[in-house]
Amino acid sequence: QSALTQPASVSGSPGQPITISCTGTSSDIGFYNYVSWYQQHPGKAPKVIMYNVNNRPSGVSDRFSGSKSGNTASLTISGLQGDDEADYFCASHTAISTYVFGSGTRVIVL
Amino acid sequence: QVQLEQSGAEVKQPGASVRVSCKAPGYNFPPSHIHWVRQAPGRGLEWMGVIKPNGDFTRLAQKFQGRVSMTRDTSTDTLYLDLRSLNSEDTAIYYCARELGETKKFDQWGQGTLVTVSS
Repeated sequence: QSALTQPASVSGSPGQPITISCTGTSSDIGFYNYVSWYQQHPGKAPKVIMYNVNNRPSGVSDRFSGSKSGNTASLTISGLQGDDEADYFCASHTAISTYVFGSGTRVIVL
Repeated sequence: QVQLEQSGAEVKQPGASVRVSCKAPGYNFPPSHIHWVRQAPGRGLEWMGVIKPNGDFTRLAQKFQGRVSMTRDTSTDTLYLDLRSLNSEDTAIYYCARELGETKKFDQWGQGTLVTVSS
């Protein structure tokens, strides 16, 4: 199972919106609405910030939103803040009941 | 509230085996799947497999079949990841992560265990 494809980095100024894409196949992202997103700060464990495409866990800022179209999922951060600078990984449940992660995107706040 | 506590760092020689533990008190109430995810230095996350709440079923990523075992000890609420025939590409931080029921999200993570494979 190949990793889902994400851009290596995305940058934006404070207050601006950014969007991270996550492209898979009809056997993972396109098969179910089970896409989740994880934020990872350096030296820390990942933290879930979105699940089932567009559901935010309790306590996660509403500046984060998710969507999906076909085999591509997206995470949007509106009103970028300094603490948003981190690595972001998408993940998808697959048709054979495994999981696959994305390659990861470094978000840089300019 | 389940807190996942993992064992300490390990240094192993190529060809050896390693066991990483993940203590998850109360992980079976409510039933939780425990997943194992690894991250090589400077790299992305890689899903390795999952052990179901009752411990009698595991599902592994294809690349780890035959080399990885996932088990649990119900008396101590501890989950184990065994990885055999280690090579340098297995150098990584290994995480256990909880999926509550069938929610399809990893909502609790251990602190990670660094496994270094070096001669």
